[in-house]
Amino acid sequence: QSALTQPASVSGSPGQSITISCTGTSSDVGSYNLVSWYQQHPGKAPKLMIYEGSKRPSGVSNRFSGSKSGNTASLTISGLQAEDEADYYCCSYAGSSTLYVVFGGGTKLTVL
Amino acid sequence: QLQLQESGPGLVKPSETLSLTCTVSGGSISSSSYYWGWIRQPPGKGLEWIGSIYYSGSTYYNPSLKSRVTISVDTSKNQFSLKLSSVTAADTAVYYCARHQGYCTGGVCGNWFDPWGQGTLVTVSS
Repeated sequence: QSALTQPASVSGSPGQSITISCTGTSSDVGSYNLVSWYQQHPGKAPKLMIYEGSKRPSGVSNRFSGSKSGNTASLTISGLQAEDEADYYCCSYAGSSTLYVVFGGGTKLTVL
Repeated sequence: QLQLQESGPGLVKPSETLSLTCTVSGGSISSSSYYWGWIRQPPGKGLEWIGSIYYSGSTYYNPSLKSRVTISVDTSKNQFSLKLSSVTAADTAVYYCARHQGYCTGGVCGNWFDPWGQGTLVTVSS
Protein backbone atom coordinates (compact mmCIF):
# COMPACT_ATOMS: atom_id res chain seq x y z
CA GLN A 1 0.00 0.00 0.00
CA SER A 2 1.52 3.37 -1.03
CA ALA A 3 1.58 6.42 1.16
CA LEU A 4 -1.03 9.06 0.51
CA THR A 5 0.12 11.85 -1.82
CA GLN A 6 0.61 15.35 -0.45
CA PRO A 7 2.36 18.37 -1.99
CA ALA A 8 5.89 18.70 -0.65
CA SER A 9 5.38 22.34 0.24
CA VAL A 10 2.85 25.12 0.33
CA SER A 11 3.20 28.73 1.41
CA GLY A 12 1.08 31.72 2.26
CA SER A 13 1.22 35.14 3.85
CA PRO A 14 -0.17 35.98 7.28
CA GLY A 15 -3.94 36.35 7.16
CA GLN A 16 -4.32 34.35 3.97
CA SER A 17 -5.88 30.89 3.58
CA ILE A 18 -4.11 27.81 2.26
CA THR A 19 -5.25 24.30 1.44
CA ILE A 20 -3.19 21.12 1.67
CA SER A 21 -4.39 18.19 -0.38
CA CYS A 22 -4.10 14.49 0.42
CA THR A 23 -4.77 12.18 -2.49
CA GLY A 24 -5.32 8.48 -2.13
CA THR A 25 -7.21 5.75 -3.90
CA SER A 26 -10.61 4.15 -3.74
CA SER A 27 -9.13 1.75 -1.16
CA ASP A 28 -8.28 4.44 1.38
CA VAL A 29 -9.27 8.12 1.15
CA GLY A 30 -11.81 7.52 -1.59
CA SER A 31 -13.59 4.79 0.29
CA TYR A 32 -15.75 5.42 3.30
CA ASN A 33 -12.65 6.32 5.27
CA LEU A 34 -12.40 9.46 7.33
CA VAL A 35 -9.01 11.16 7.29
CA SER A 36 -7.11 12.62 10.24
CA TRP A 37 -4.57 15.45 10.03
CA TYR A 38 -1.50 16.17 12.15
CA GLN A 39 0.70 19.23 12.69
CA GLN A 40 4.36 18.73 13.53
CA HIS A 41 6.75 21.46 14.53
CA PRO A 42 10.52 20.77 14.25
CA GLY A 43 11.74 18.44 16.95
CA LYS A 44 8.24 17.90 18.33
CA ALA A 45 5.75 15.07 18.27
CA PRO A 46 2.83 15.29 15.84
CA LYS A 47 -0.38 16.89 17.15
CA LEU A 48 -3.87 15.85 16.08
CA MET A 49 -5.62 18.73 14.31
CA ILE A 50 -8.55 17.06 12.50
CA TYR A 51 -10.19 13.67 12.94
CA GLU A 52 -13.08 11.94 11.21
CA GLY A 53 -12.45 14.10 8.18
CA SER A 54 -13.68 17.40 9.61
CA LYS A 55 -13.87 17.31 13.41
CA ARG A 56 -11.54 19.39 15.58
CA PRO A 57 -10.28 18.16 18.94
CA SER A 58 -10.83 20.41 21.90
CA GLY A 59 -8.32 23.25 21.89
CA VAL A 60 -7.64 23.28 18.15
CA SER A 61 -8.40 26.60 16.50
CA ASN A 62 -11.45 26.84 14.25
CA ARG A 63 -9.10 28.27 11.63
CA PHE A 64 -8.36 24.62 10.80
CA SER A 65 -10.95 22.72 8.78
CA GLY A 66 -11.09 19.45 6.87
CA SER A 67 -13.06 18.23 3.88
CA LYS A 68 -13.08 15.51 1.22
CA SER A 69 -14.02 15.14 -2.40
CA GLY A 70 -13.63 11.81 -4.13
CA ASN A 71 -10.17 10.38 -3.51
CA THR A 72 -8.79 13.67 -2.15
CA ALA A 73 -9.01 15.00 1.39
CA SER A 74 -8.06 18.58 2.18
CA LEU A 75 -6.91 20.60 5.16
CA THR A 76 -7.64 24.32 5.01
CA ILE A 77 -6.01 26.83 7.32
CA SER A 78 -7.58 30.27 7.29
CA GLY A 79 -6.15 33.47 8.72
CA LEU A 80 -2.60 32.12 8.53
CA GLN A 81 -0.41 32.88 11.53
CA ALA A 82 3.34 32.55 11.98
CA GLU A 83 2.88 29.66 14.42
CA ASP A 84 1.09 27.63 11.73
CA GLU A 85 4.45 27.11 10.01
CA ALA A 86 5.04 23.38 10.41
CA ASP A 87 4.81 20.03 8.64
CA TYR A 88 1.34 18.58 8.11
CA TYR A 89 0.46 14.92 7.61
CA CYS A 90 -2.76 13.21 6.61
CA CYS A 91 -3.66 9.71 7.72
CA SER A 92 -6.26 7.21 6.56
CA TYR A 93 -7.50 3.75 7.32
CA ALA A 94 -6.63 1.60 4.32
CA GLY A 95 -7.46 -1.99 5.23
CA SER A 96 -10.25 -3.95 3.61
CA SER A 97 -10.48 -6.72 6.18
CA THR A 98 -8.06 -5.70 8.91
CA LEU A 99 -6.72 -2.57 10.57
CA TYR A 100 -4.16 -0.95 8.28
CA VAL A 101 -3.09 2.69 8.43
CA VAL A 102 -1.30 4.86 5.90
CA PHE A 103 0.13 8.35 6.25
CA GLY A 104 0.73 10.99 3.62
CA GLY A 105 4.29 11.99 2.79
CA GLY A 106 3.89 15.31 4.58
CA THR A 107 3.63 18.95 3.50
CA LYS A 108 5.90 21.75 4.70
CA LEU A 109 3.88 24.92 5.28
CA THR A 110 5.86 28.14 5.11
CA VAL A 111 4.31 31.38 6.36
CA LEU A 112 5.95 34.13 4.34
CA GLN B 1 -4.73 14.06 31.21
CA LEU B 2 -3.43 11.03 29.38
CA GLN B 3 0.32 11.00 28.78
CA LEU B 4 2.59 8.54 27.00
CA GLN B 5 6.35 8.15 27.37
CA GLU B 6 8.67 6.02 25.28
CA SER B 7 11.76 4.40 26.79
CA GLY B 8 14.51 2.10 25.60
CA PRO B 9 18.05 2.02 24.18
CA GLY B 10 19.01 4.82 21.84
CA LEU B 11 21.59 2.72 20.03
CA VAL B 12 21.09 -0.75 18.58
CA LYS B 13 23.56 -2.82 16.57
CA PRO B 14 22.69 -4.07 13.08
CA SER B 15 20.97 -7.49 13.04
CA GLU B 16 19.92 -7.13 16.67
CA THR B 17 16.45 -6.50 18.09
CA LEU B 18 15.14 -3.03 18.88
CA SER B 19 13.02 -2.97 22.04
CA LEU B 20 10.96 -0.02 23.24
CA THR B 21 8.35 0.44 25.95
CA CYS B 22 5.58 2.99 26.15
CA THR B 23 4.32 3.87 29.63
CA VAL B 24 0.81 5.27 29.84
CA SER B 25 -0.15 7.58 32.71
CA GLY B 26 -3.31 9.46 33.56
CA GLY B 27 -5.53 6.66 32.30
CA SER B 28 -5.83 2.91 31.97
CA ILE B 29 -4.40 1.05 29.02
CA SER B 30 -7.25 -1.42 29.47
CA SER B 31 -9.86 1.17 28.51
CA SER B 32 -12.15 -0.35 25.94
CA SER B 33 -12.37 0.88 22.36
CA TYR B 34 -8.77 2.04 22.15
CA TYR B 35 -5.78 0.70 20.30
CA TRP B 36 -2.24 1.60 21.27
CA GLY B 37 0.10 2.27 18.37
CA TRP B 38 3.68 2.70 17.31
CA ILE B 39 4.71 5.12 14.56
CA ARG B 40 8.21 5.94 13.38
CA GLN B 41 9.86 8.79 11.50
CA PRO B 42 13.30 8.42 9.87
CA PRO B 43 15.42 11.59 10.09
CA GLY B 44 14.09 14.19 7.66
CA LYS B 45 11.31 11.90 6.40
CA GLY B 46 7.62 11.27 6.95
CA LEU B 47 5.60 9.19 9.36
CA GLU B 48 5.18 5.43 9.04
CA TRP B 49 2.68 3.34 11.00
CA ILE B 50 4.38 0.30 12.50
CA GLY B 51 1.43 -1.37 14.16
CA SER B 52 -1.18 -1.22 16.89
CA ILE B 53 -2.49 -3.42 19.66
CA TYR B 54 -6.07 -3.48 20.90
CA TYR B 55 -6.64 -3.33 24.64
CA SER B 56 -7.68 -7.00 24.47
CA GLY B 57 -4.32 -7.97 22.98
CA SER B 58 -5.20 -8.30 19.28
CA THR B 59 -2.38 -6.99 17.12
CA TYR B 60 -2.27 -5.33 13.70
CA TYR B 61 0.94 -4.67 11.81
CA ASN B 62 2.11 -2.78 8.75
CA PRO B 63 2.56 -5.52 6.13
CA SER B 64 5.94 -4.10 5.17
CA LEU B 65 7.26 -4.74 8.70
CA LYS B 66 5.05 -7.59 9.84
CA SER B 67 7.70 -10.30 9.65
CA ARG B 68 9.95 -8.40 12.08
CA VAL B 69 7.51 -6.71 14.47
CA THR B 70 5.96 -7.79 17.75
CA ILE B 71 3.76 -5.50 19.84
CA SER B 72 2.63 -6.61 23.28
CA VAL B 73 0.77 -5.11 26.22
CA ASP B 74 1.33 -5.39 29.97
CA THR B 75 -1.83 -4.15 31.63
CA SER B 76 -0.39 -4.63 35.14
CA LYS B 77 2.25 -2.01 34.36
CA ASN B 78 0.05 0.11 32.08
CA GLN B 79 2.62 -0.34 29.34
CA PHE B 80 2.86 -1.61 25.80
CA SER B 81 6.00 -2.59 23.97
CA LEU B 82 7.57 -2.82 20.54
CA LYS B 83 10.14 -5.31 19.34
CA LEU B 84 11.66 -4.99 15.87
CA SER B 85 14.08 -7.74 14.92
CA SER B 86 16.99 -7.90 12.47
CA VAL B 87 17.38 -4.14 12.35
CA THR B 88 19.44 -2.29 9.74
CA ALA B 89 20.44 1.33 9.30
CA ALA B 90 17.09 1.86 7.53
CA ASP B 91 15.37 1.35 10.89
CA THR B 92 17.07 4.44 12.34
CA ALA B 93 14.21 6.74 13.27
CA VAL B 94 12.35 8.59 15.97
CA TYR B 95 9.86 6.11 17.38
CA TYR B 96 6.57 7.41 18.75
CA CYS B 97 3.86 5.69 20.74
CA ALA B 98 0.31 6.99 20.69
CA ARG B 99 -3.22 6.12 21.66
CA HIS B 100 -4.95 4.97 18.52
CA GLN B 101 -8.68 5.24 18.04
CA GLY B 102 -10.05 3.35 15.11
CA TYR B 103 -13.39 1.95 14.06
CA CYS B 104 -15.40 0.70 11.15
CA THR B 105 -19.16 1.12 11.49
CA GLY B 106 -21.67 0.71 8.72
CA GLY B 107 -18.87 0.68 6.18
CA VAL B 108 -17.43 3.97 7.45
CA CYS B 109 -13.95 3.77 8.95
CA GLY B 110 -12.12 6.36 10.96
CA ASN B 111 -8.84 6.34 12.80
CA TRP B 112 -6.66 8.85 14.58
CA PHE B 113 -3.70 9.02 16.97
CA ASP B 114 -3.98 11.18 20.07
CA PRO B 115 -2.12 11.87 22.28
CA TRP B 116 1.44 11.04 21.22
CA GLY B 117 4.53 10.44 23.29
CA GLN B 118 7.45 12.81 22.84
CA GLY B 119 9.33 10.28 20.74
CA THR B 120 12.68 8.58 21.16
CA LEU B 121 15.50 8.44 18.63
CA VAL B 122 16.85 4.98 17.94
CA THR B 123 20.03 4.76 15.91
CA VAL B 124 21.12 1.50 14.31
CA SER B 125 24.88 1.42 14.09
CA SER B 126 27.78 -0.79 15.02
